[in-house]
Amino acid sequence: AQSVTQPDIHITVSEGASLELRCNYSYGATPYLFWYVQSPGQGLQLLLKYFSGDTLVQGIKGFEAEFKRSQSSFNLRKPSVHWSDAAEYFCAVGARQAGTALIFGKGTTLSVSS
Amino acid sequence: IAGITQAPTSQILAAGRRMTLRCTQDMRHNAMYWYRQDLGLGLRLIHYSNTAGTTGKGEVPDGYSVSRANTDDFPLTLASAVPSQTSVYFCASSDSNAVVGQYFGPGTRLTVL
Repeated sequence: AQSVTQPDIHITVSEGASLELRCNYSYGATPYLFWYVQSPGQGLQLLLKYFSGDTLVQGIKGFEAEFKRSQSSFNLRKPSVHWSDAAEYFCAVGARQAGTALIFGKGTTLSVSS
Repeated sequence: IAGITQAPTSQILAAGRRMTLRCTQDMRHNAMYWYRQDLGLGLRLIHYSNTAGTTGKGEVPDGYSVSRANTDDFPLTLASAVPSQTSVYFCASSDSNAVVGQYFGPGTRLTVL
């Protein structure tokens, strides 16, 4: 079955500390992988995406993610968290075919403490 | 400004009433989607359309219908709303080139009493 697992429901990180949000996927075909961020009351904004090539991808707002095929993982990282990063983060997987809907994880809520 | 618009922003609806959520995109994307977002469940696909004139069922289609008369519009209709349809609804679109990813609208918060 196709699925995305985000093991951490809620994470609290101190401002300035590093961050890693975990994402594991199960997908029959070669996946496209995405991370989205959602601020309270807002829609989803695409942070970064992986399709092929370099397994370390850079995104907006200083985020990066690493695709590890052997571990079926696509973890999101940021070296130094800012208070404005507090939000909900969703990992998603989709097929290479255009028009295929994404399968989302249930999300990880990030809180940033001062 | 290019993107996806959804209307209404929020709505409170009596059970049994009919409701249509509107979604319009101006990016000329072929594919469009409707998701619902519920606490602890993430986003789940309701219906999708790969191109104008075609639609398909997603993970949770019961109680919902869609139409795709043209490229830009993808309305979602609740024929007879029930309280379990209380949710936040997001419309999304994607280009024929899947590399682009999906773009999301701002959402509609629907409460069914």
